[in-house]
Amino acid sequence: ETGVTQSPTHLIKTRGQQVTLRCSSQSGHNTVSWYQQALGQGPQFIFQYYREEENGRGNFPPRFSGLQFPNYSSELNVNALELDDSALYLCASSPGPLDEQYFGPGTRLTVT
Amino acid sequence: GIQVEQSPPDLILQEGANSTLRCNFSDSVNNLQWFHQNPWGQLINLFYIPSGTKQNGRLSATTVATERYSLLYISSSQTTDSGVYFCAVEAANYGQNFVFGPGTRLSVLP
Repeated sequence: ETGVTQSPTHLIKTRGQQVTLRCSSQSGHNTVSWYQQALGQGPQFIFQYYREEENGRGNFPPRFSGLQFPNYSSELNVNALELDDSALYLCASSPGPLDEQYFGPGTRLTVT
Repeated sequence: GIQVEQSPPDLILQEGANSTLRCNFSDSVNNLQWFHQNPWGQLINLFYIPSGTKQNGRLSATTVATERYSLLYISSSQTTDSGVYFCAVEAANYGQNFVFGPGTRLSVLP
């Protein structure tokens, strides 16, 4: 059984650019959630996708958007990058929206 | 929204010692998980425990949902237990929003 994978591992972008991060969910899981973890803090919930529909959103601006595909993999898109977007971005998959979540290794984004 | 507190914020132990980490939450929860974040950032599942008691080797956890707290016990600690321990909850009344506590940073010295 393959676990949750994320790509890329590291990324450096310039302020104002756009970025797409990718996540492949664990086999049998139809729900993907995205989190942002700033240095020294706990992860913050961005949004959740369940069967290709957004199923909950945290306190993040609209320039954070996402997609879930029929195979339940997911993308996180961030437009107009700001310096404060520098963080570890974590993806988690679960069998359903209220079930135990399993996290990928994360993508570390640096905005300069 | 729901508030999650963890204590202590930092803990330093000698190898072989036991410890108890606490997670308090301010409202009813559907889901509670404990994670260990290693130095590379990977969140490792320890327990899915919205209520009751579970044990896995040297680790055990207890959640008392009616009193809104959970405890993580680490016995005979090893240097590989070092890292940050997070409690995360999904509130029963706030929709699909998984809220993490601030974490407890554990350092186990040889």
